[in-house]
Amino acid sequence: SAVISQKPSRDICQRGTSLTIQCQVDSQVTMMFWYRQQPGQSLTLIATANQGSEATYESGFVIDKFPISRPNLTFSTLTVSNMSPEDSSIYLCSVDTLRGGRVGDTQYFGPGTRLTVL
Amino acid sequence: GESVGLHLPTLSVQEGDNSIINCAYSNSASDYFIWYKQESGKGPQFIIDIRSNMDKRQGQRVTVLLNKTVKHLSLQIAATQPGDSAVYFCAETYSGAGSYQLTFGKGTKLSVIP
Repeated sequence: SAVISQKPSRDICQRGTSLTIQCQVDSQVTMMFWYRQQPGQSLTLIATANQGSEATYESGFVIDKFPISRPNLTFSTLTVSNMSPEDSSIYLCSVDTLRGGRVGDTQYFGPGTRLTVL
Repeated sequence: GESVGLHLPTLSVQEGDNSIINCAYSNSASDYFIWYKQESGKGPQFIIDIRSNMDKRQGQRVTVLLNKTVKHLSLQIAATQPGDSAVYFCAETYSGAGSYQLTFGKGTKLSVIP
């Protein structure tokens, strides 16, 4: 298993500003993911962050809006840039521990960062 | 009973009864499925998984059934307890080359009536 922490747990931000969310894992993991969960809805993958390479973004998400860093095997950041009220969501960090030797076998999630943009 | 709320379908069950939560997945090529439980203010928590070469898998108080013919997944919770109240998501993934993301279903909110 993996224990994941996120900072901040919640924030209220003004339109046009940026917020950087931190994700810390208690063990070294190869694959980290960032998800968005809009109020009352399911999870949508934003990007995959692998150490040593640029993040891979899903359709509808771009690096300029959601820059990601992955400096080592236990840490990642997601920045929500130039925020608007539509960015109000829960942002979740996830890791894959490759328990079964195949990606997707076991994904663990952090507690999430609840972002409100005014 | 089951009803469609503003965002999430809701299932209300009496404490001690069995709960059945259903999920229709989209990709016929998906070969691995996971059920997650998300309590208020927390991230999703792994409950149980199943591979496409299985039809049924049991855990502690939970059973997952997979029907590949109709692309349907269900989660059965035996003797439902108040602590089971949460939103439940199914997720699917395909182990093909270069594919590793989880695709989440819409979720079902389970409310347990004491």
